[in-house]
Amino acid sequence: DTEVTQTPKHLVMGMTNKKSLKCEQHMGHRAMYWYKQKAKKPPELMFVYSYEKLSINESVPSRFSPECPNSSLLNLHLHALQPEDSALYLCASSQGDRGGYEQYFGPGTRLTVT
Amino acid sequence: GENVEQHPSTLSVQEGDSAVIKCTYSDSASNYFPWYKQELGKRPQLIIDIRSNVGEKKDQRIAVTLNKTAKHFSLHITETQPEDSAVYFCAARPYGGSQGNLIFGKGTKLSVKP
Repeated sequence: DTEVTQTPKHLVMGMTNKKSLKCEQHMGHRAMYWYKQKAKKPPELMFVYSYEKLSINESVPSRFSPECPNSSLLNLHLHALQPEDSALYLCASSQGDRGGYEQYFGPGTRLTVT
Repeated sequence: GENVEQHPSTLSVQEGDSAVIKCTYSDSASNYFPWYKQELGKRPQLIIDIRSNVGEKKDQRIAVTLNKTAKHFSLHITETQPEDSAVYFCAARPYGGSQGNLIFGKGTKLSVKP
């Protein structure tokens, strides 16, 4: 399996809702990432998990809460989002510290906050 | 920190022509430079990459060159086809970014006209 998968593909939520985004990979990668991408912009790093530990948090607001239950799964919990949080949320993975810098992206979740 | 500049922001070529996209980076210690292709509504797809100990890498119609002294790297696409139309992002991995942190350029929208 050489893919990163994400669910759901699309999500519409109100500002008071709580929802979660899910990401899964079975490539044995030990680093996983959450990116946010606005239209016509590059991906913007939010969080990095390395060996299931949060290693980078790029000053993301607390309404976004990441979780890495095991080496194959990555979640992003959403609560009390704002309309400006509407974007494509991309998950990616790479081998981790032991080499293999290549990052592979999932198809993304298109999030709309109403 | 690392900063990546990408030019041009848009590029239009005729089918069969070559296309060149250029990026410069600021951190001389950066050691890995991938290129991603993102079609409309799809995930960024890794198309080619180069490490700092290599000057050039080629994969069929795609090549990447790296000039460490000048701190710039370029993507070359030969014999362009309409399906090459997409947004291309360059990126750099700062040395010491052991979690694989990538800094992206702002992207180039390539249009290949039949």
